[in-house]
Amino acid sequence: QKEVEQNSGPLSVPEGAIASLNCTYSDRGSQSFFWYRQYSGKSPELIMSIYSNGDKEDGRFTAQLNKASQYVSLLIRDSQPSDSATYLCAVGGGSQGNLIFGKGTKLSVKP
Amino acid sequence: NAGVTQTPKFQVLKTGQSMTLQCAQDMNHNSMYWYRQDPGMGLRLIYYSASEGTTDKGEVPNGYNVSRLNKREFSLRLESAAPSQTSVYFCASFQQGTGGYGYTFGSGTRLTVV
Repeated sequence: QKEVEQNSGPLSVPEGAIASLNCTYSDRGSQSFFWYRQYSGKSPELIMSIYSNGDKEDGRFTAQLNKASQYVSLLIRDSQPSDSATYLCAVGGGSQGNLIFGKGTKLSVKP
Repeated sequence: NAGVTQTPKFQVLKTGQSMTLQCAQDMNHNSMYWYRQDPGMGLRLIYYSASEGTTDKGEVPNGYNVSRLNKREFSLRLESAAPSQTSVYFCASFQQGTGGYGYTFGSGTRLTVV
């Protein structure tokens, strides 16, 4: 059974701080890794994708991948109250593009 | 450009009733998916269609059927609804070969079975 694990939170950070979200996965053959943001009552929205070891930066977001440790993280710099949401880690690698999702980490950014 | 459109947005069914959830995408994507999302359970794959004319079971297919009507449309049918099928259902699409973009999700269908 392929699994993606995330700390459910809630993770609470003050406005302007760095939020660090973590994810581990069980399938060593995984090749694609995604972070989705989901506001309450809304659908998931893709915010980052990463495919190779190292860091990938996009604005205030940085995704980090370590395939040897089977670990993916998302850093949010200068956190804003609007970043308060549930963040879903998703891992893929099958030929059909199927993704396995973690249960999500709820982030709360306090003004 | 609407992306992925799901209908209906809300539905209440009585136990034993049937219904079909509709999903259509206008991005010319090959692959389409149906997920359900329950509190504390995350997103779980029900069925998927890698291309027009093909469908396959996911993690939780029992009690559901699907139809890939054409490249645009992928429907999910509950033949005899049960309270355990109360959930939020998301349709998603994905274009193989453009793995940099991940899934595009529809807005969801909130289903309550009483």
